Amino acid sequence: DAKTTQPPSMDCAEGRAANLPCNHSTISGNEYVYWYRQIHSQGPQYIIHGLKNNETNEMASLIITEDRKSSTLILPHATLRDTAVYYCIVRVAMDSNYQLIWGAGTKLIIKP
Amino acid sequence: KAGVTQTPRYLIKTRGQQVTLSCSPISGHRSVSWYQQTPGQGLQFLFEYFSETQRNKGNFPGRFSGRQFSNSRSEMNVSTLELGDSALYLCASSGTSGRTGRGEQFFGPGTRLTVL
Repeated sequence: DAKTTQPPSMDCAEGRAANLPCNHSTISGNEYVYWYRQIHSQGPQYIIHGLKNNETNEMASLIITEDRKSSTLILPHATLRDTAVYYCIVRVAMDSNYQLIWGAGTKLIIKP
Repeated sequence: KAGVTQTPRYLIKTRGQQVTLSCSPISGHRSVSWYQQTPGQGLQFLFEYFSETQRNKGNFPGRFSGRQFSNSRSEMNVSTLELGDSALYLCASSGTSGRTGRGEQFFGPGTRLTVL
């Protein structure tokens, strides 16, 4: 079962920051939060991940609340090419390995 | 470095037939995972192979099976196809072993299977 809840869709104006929320209220202490996106007709693409601290890379920033029950993915200057479905995922530890538990995703539409 | 490749890209089969899909991971990656993506169920994990051994398995019937070869290439097989098996089948490779590494998975473009 999915461990994350996301809004089904969001709009954002081109050039503005896109803030995508995710709820993961049942997350355990050793479970990471991952974000992937899927542009139409392509395979998902890794964006960023984190455990407790906020993270930033060349694509996005990830803000995780102190209680770890929710997080926000920030695309600082959205472009039309950022239109995609964004998945917030919990990485669950299983024995000596891990598994990504995918949610339903948010369809982000960037408007000119 | 070449990305993950999947063949074929598109496939049409009829009910009752079987199908084999192929995935070549990124060079040096030893973990290959398979996912089924449908509009209604989203992305669902099928199984993962690492060094020719199945390491994880999702909740799919035994009609879905897979294997991995010594060169890390992987195949998945679906027998006795049903209409509900129509989906995009995605393969992802990872260079990490067990719980080490950052767990990033690199996805291929997928194989679109249509069952008539």
